[in-house]
Amino acid sequence: AQKVTQAQTEISVVEKEDVTLDCVYETRDTTYYLFWYKQPPSGELVFLIRRNSFDEQNEISGRYSWNFQKSTSSFNFTITASQVVDSAVYFCALSEDMNYGGSQGNLIFGKGTKLSVKP
Amino acid sequence: DGGITQSPKYLFRKEGQNVTLSCEQNLNHDAMYWYRQDPGQGLRLIYYSQIVNDFQKGDIAEGYSVSREKKESFPLTVTSAQKNPTAFYLCASSNRWDTQYFGPGTRLTVL
Repeated sequence: AQKVTQAQTEISVVEKEDVTLDCVYETRDTTYYLFWYKQPPSGELVFLIRRNSFDEQNEISGRYSWNFQKSTSSFNFTITASQVVDSAVYFCALSEDMNYGGSQGNLIFGKGTKLSVKP
Repeated sequence: DGGITQSPKYLFRKEGQNVTLSCEQNLNHDAMYWYRQDPGQGLRLIYYSQIVNDFQKGDIAEGYSVSREKKESFPLTVTSAQKNPTAFYLCASSNRWDTQYFGPGTRLTVL
């Protein structure tokens, strides 16, 4: 069965600190997709990144970076020089490869990590 | 602007009433989804639809119903059979087999 674990329930940092949000996943599929979404206080989920299981290259986008390691089934998210606007709940999610009889691309979410960045 | 709209933003329901949550998208996406979020929890899938006039149950479909008569619209009805409907409801859409994008959500409270 698929499962996503975000062990950190809440993290609090001071502005300009670096912070890493952990995500560990379980799947028996060899082809799958991993996602990170941001949920600010307004409630809407904002898409941040999608990764397929064949692409283990790390990704950097501005202050955001992602470290995908299949050997440890992890897809961690780092924010460098955090800012107050980064305060939100961050969700990691997993979906199967729909081309191989997967469940139509449905997302399995972790429970989220609430990040508070204090000035 | 292209996007997903949900209405109303806040909804109050008396026990025993059915209520319908609206979700509309103008992204020309084939697939649409409904998720439920409870405090401190991740999102759980209620229903999804990959194509007009077809939909499938998700993990927690009991007490909910949907329709997909138009590509742009995927309304969710919370029936009186749903025993604990107070939650935040999020609608999403995607091209088939692609990233899901979410609407702003509807917060439902049972009085």
